[in-house]
Amino acid sequence: EAGVAQSPRYKIIEKRQSVAFWCNPISGHATLYWYQQILGQGPKLLIQFQNNGVVDDSQLPKDRFSAERLKGVDSTLKIQPAKLEDSAVYLCASSSGQGDVDTQYFGPGTRLTVL
Amino acid sequence: GQNIDQPTEMTATEGAIVQINCTYQTSGFNGLFWYQQHAGEAPTFLSYNVLDGLEEKGRFSSFLSRSKGYSYLLLKELQMKDSASYLCAVIDSNYQLIWGAGTKLIIKP
Repeated sequence: EAGVAQSPRYKIIEKRQSVAFWCNPISGHATLYWYQQILGQGPKLLIQFQNNGVVDDSQLPKDRFSAERLKGVDSTLKIQPAKLEDSAVYLCASSSGQGDVDTQYFGPGTRLTVL
Repeated sequence: GQNIDQPTEMTATEGAIVQINCTYQTSGFNGLFWYQQHAGEAPTFLSYNVLDGLEEKGRFSSFLSRSKGYSYLLLKELQMKDSASYLCAVIDSNYQLIWGAGTKLIIKP
């Protein structure tokens, strides 16, 4: 079974530029998550989708971050414009959204450096 | 507020046993996960506890005490490849996953 796919793996941009990340979850997984992980910290949830609907985006800085999952499968996360403090690893995870133990499976992440 | 505490860093010797503790204060409890994260890689699932007691899985075991808001991850027969960060995460009453900052485990020969 293929895992969660993300691209690109690395991105370097200058502040005020825009960037987009792509995620393809495990086939059949209804729930998709975007996390921001700053070095030395745990993952911080940015947004959670259930199929193509948003479940939780309370920690998403909506003035600059946006995300969509139009067909309920793959998803994109965009930052426009980027700030220095956005430098982090952006992790995508998916889960089946069913059963008692809804384990999240992570993609390899995108390491973003904002100069 | 919601809080998960783990030691920032621990050091252990190859072949030994190490216990990584996690204490939590969350609005409700619906389960606790342990994830392993090697440097520069994504977290990978290790264990899940929802009832009190010990869950054993090979060299790794995880313990939960809901009354004490406490869990630990026990790693036996440590290998160099166990050098990684170990993340504790709790499912709260809204079924949201609250993450700890992780414990960086350094294994020395």
